[in-house]
Amino acid sequence: ETGVTQTPRHLVMGMTNKKSLKCEQHLGHNAMYWYKQSAKKPLELMFVYNFKEQTENNSVPSRFSPECPNSSHLFLHLHTLQPEDSALYLCASSQDPDRGRSPLHFGNGTRLTVT
Amino acid sequence: GENVEQHPSTLSVQEGDSAVIKCTYSDSASNYFPWYKQELGKRPQLIIDIRSNVGEKKDQRIAVTLNKTAKHFSLHITETQPEDSAVYFCAAFGNQFYFGTGTSLTVIP
Repeated sequence: ETGVTQTPRHLVMGMTNKKSLKCEQHLGHNAMYWYKQSAKKPLELMFVYNFKEQTENNSVPSRFSPECPNSSHLFLHLHTLQPEDSALYLCASSQDPDRGRSPLHFGNGTRLTVT
Repeated sequence: GENVEQHPSTLSVQEGDSAVIKCTYSDSASNYFPWYKQELGKRPQLIIDIRSNVGEKKDQRIAVTLNKTAKHFSLHITETQPEDSAVYFCAAFGNQFYFGTGTSLTVIP
């Protein structure tokens, strides 16, 4: 299945590094999302883009910076992260985000480790 | 905002038995309830969903029930197989998706 593709699959970075996560969706959806998945916690919504416009920023620290150049691509730029930011970062897309008429389609995620 | 609670956190069943996972939600305005299955190292994948105007939905061995009055919904898996072993997440949509904490299901051959 190639609906939502994320790269890289794994990333190890030091606290002073700068890196970016990439997501691409081939489903023709209008909205794209970043979620953080940590052990024993619910999926945490970070950012939502609807038709390239950011519609949600869930009080995410500024060391995470999203970018959505078009409806098919989404980036998450990372800088000066903390060890507690280590987690699985999932990208998702959906067709009709405001009305909840369609489910989220997830990518395989990027496993991030901050050392 | 919405609060979704999911139980149990872990569940072990013998192959062929049934498994039931329960979720409760707090916002009566929530109107869409998907269930996701996440195998180890893989993406969460939608397995079944239900909307607030429906009480029950079935898809082969999987069923979901919704009680709007009590604000709870459940996932039922019958005739479990080892490949059903995974983490299952419930979610509720009000103005955004709110997820439960997941249930790790192990089916023992």
